[in-house]
Amino acid sequence: GAGVSQSPSNKVTEKGKDVELRCDPISGHTALYWYRQSLGQGLEFLIYFQGNSAPDKSGLPSDRFSAERTGGSVSTLTIQRTQQEDSAVYLCASSLASGAGAFYGYTFGSGTRLTVV
Amino acid sequence: DAKTTQPPSMDCAEGRAANLPCNHSTISGNEYVYWYRQIHSQGPQYIIHGLKNNETNEMASLIITEDRKSSTLILPHATLRDTAVYYCIVRVVLGGSQGNLIFGKGTKLSVKP
Repeated sequence: GAGVSQSPSNKVTEKGKDVELRCDPISGHTALYWYRQSLGQGLEFLIYFQGNSAPDKSGLPSDRFSAERTGGSVSTLTIQRTQQEDSAVYLCASSLASGAGAFYGYTFGSGTRLTVV
Repeated sequence: DAKTTQPPSMDCAEGRAANLPCNHSTISGNEYVYWYRQIHSQGPQYIIHGLKNNETNEMASLIITEDRKSSTLILPHATLRDTAVYYCIVRVVLGGSQGNLIFGKGTKLSVKP
């Protein structure tokens, strides 16, 4: 597709339920990133996938959060037993992989606005 | 990663140049300076990046001081649509991968008619 596609665009869920957020990166982009942004705050890194390498999960806030990337393309971020503090906009970005010294900018999707009630 | 310091907010008159400063006094030799912006209710958008030379593209110019401890993003003729939060980020580019970018609070630029 022309850009990074995220679905759903909005999700309201009850506290304690599980949610799945989907990201379709730009075709051919081997790097994929998940961030979240709480109201009025900056972006918080969650997880990073690069090709077939093990993902960098260092930003996941708790073990309720997990993500996978199937076939090096689509990624799903899963939040189990959602809490009210999980309410945020979840942003996905993709990019080409870079060689040393080269850089390709991230392309972000429009995000999924998650509201836990 | 080196930290960056940006003013929390700035105003600019429409049609004038917007100069957004960023301090990165602890930047190391292999770290690049990246700029992104985030317009309200959208995901961030890549603007420009540089290592030590000044850079220009269709969106903006990036001026990096000789000691690389600070930089300035210049929007030469700001329009109302340039109203956004502008993020300055420094990050090393690793061979074969980029790793994650760390976004701070950025500068909220308000372009006024």
